[in-house]
Amino acid sequence: ILNVEQSPQSLHVQEGDSTNFTCSFPSSNFYALHWYRWETAKSPEALFVMTLNGDEKKKGRISATLNTKEGYSYLYIKGSQPEDSATYLCAFTHADGLTFGKGTHLIIQP
Amino acid sequence: SQTIHQWPATLVQPVGSPLSLECTVEGTSNPNLYWYRQAAGRGLQLLFYSVGIGQISSEVPQNLSASRPQDRQFILSSKKLLLSDSGFYLCAWSDYSTEAFFGQGTRLTVV
Repeated sequence: ILNVEQSPQSLHVQEGDSTNFTCSFPSSNFYALHWYRWETAKSPEALFVMTLNGDEKKKGRISATLNTKEGYSYLYIKGSQPEDSATYLCAFTHADGLTFGKGTHLIIQP
Repeated sequence: SQTIHQWPATLVQPVGSPLSLECTVEGTSNPNLYWYRQAAGRGLQLLFYSVGIGQISSEVPQNLSASRPQDRQFILSSKKLLLSDSGFYLCAWSDYSTEAFFGQGTRLTVV
């Protein structure tokens, strides 16, 4: 079983502050790295899919980077807002499927 | 465009009863298909994935099974449900380098 590790498990951030969290994955057998925003009992919402080492993607206040050689990705949120509260899932596509991490649960405090 | 249908949306079943959740995909052929479960307080756990008709891989030993009788159909089943099978089940499909598309999810409560 290939493991995707996300840290921290949960995070409380003051509204307006910036934050980031980490996803670690096996660097061998790599196809793509995904980030999703997920609210419990709903379908995850895709944020980014990255395939190349050094990829950087941005959507509004959220951005992500990818290092396939060392097996990590960072997700950044700039100027956090209450609507950013959710669980952020990282997923790793490999030859044997698509494996998700357990997520980082982000709570934005007004 | 690709769409994925999953049903039912909610289900309450007694312990020991059978289960069948169905997922179908439109707008693509030979998709990689997945079943995930979120148990209470936990993340998304991969249960089964399939790269083609009749090809099923299981990540975790459990009380569940999966079948892929047609290219765009993926079924999650159980012969006898346990209380621990309660959770939120998601079907998904993905190409190797594109985002995953998810069904609406099924909330299963075993009583």
